Amino acid sequence: GAVVSQHPSRVICKSGTSVKIECRSLDFQATTMFWYRQFPKQSLMLMATSNEGSKATYEQGVEKDKFLINHASLTLSTLTVTSAHPEDSSFYICSAAEGPEKLFFGSGTQLSVL
Amino acid sequence: GDSVTQMEGPVTLSEEAFLTINCTYTATGYPSLFWYVQYPGEGLQLLLKATKADDKGSNKGFEATYRKETTSFHLEKGSVQVSDSAVYFCALSHTGNQFYFGTGTSLTVIP
Repeated sequence: GAVVSQHPSRVICKSGTSVKIECRSLDFQATTMFWYRQFPKQSLMLMATSNEGSKATYEQGVEKDKFLINHASLTLSTLTVTSAHPEDSSFYICSAAEGPEKLFFGSGTQLSVL
Repeated sequence: GDSVTQMEGPVTLSEEAFLTINCTYTATGYPSLFWYVQYPGEGLQLLLKATKADDKGSNKGFEATYRKETTSFHLEKGSVQVSDSAVYFCALSHTGNQFYFGTGTSLTVIP
């Protein structure tokens, strides 16, 4: 089946630094990608919907200036956590839509901010 | 708003035991319901789905029935194997792309 590659799988950074997470669709073009976040013992929550060539749509409560999303090509979307703080430590996962009801997920990124 | 509640884990079972992971939902309208599975080091994979009331989704020996009257979509398997050890996510979607997930339930099957 289709594969979505997410990198890195784990990152540890110092408070105040920025971290970039990449999400690539390896064998299909994805006009839409989604970014989710999961805090411990909570649900995977949709953060934003990323459309190729246009601005991302953020869910309520998600700071667009803190979580920068770039979907510059049909196979790549990036999420940059700017000026990360310990409260941003979480599991981030992306998904890419090959078509209606054809959604594929990356393996996730565990971010730890010290 | 829409939401999904699933039983907390972790769940530890012996091989060949019966598995049930409970999932209930709150939603407007009639969403599709899904179970996703995440094996260690891999992305979430669709395990099964049901698109309307009373539908039963099934795959790899797992089953779940869309129960509108109880707003539930419990996952069951009659005899689990060590290879079923993974994290299981219940989810709903109206569009097929935008999902509402539960917290995930970690399952460990011991020989």
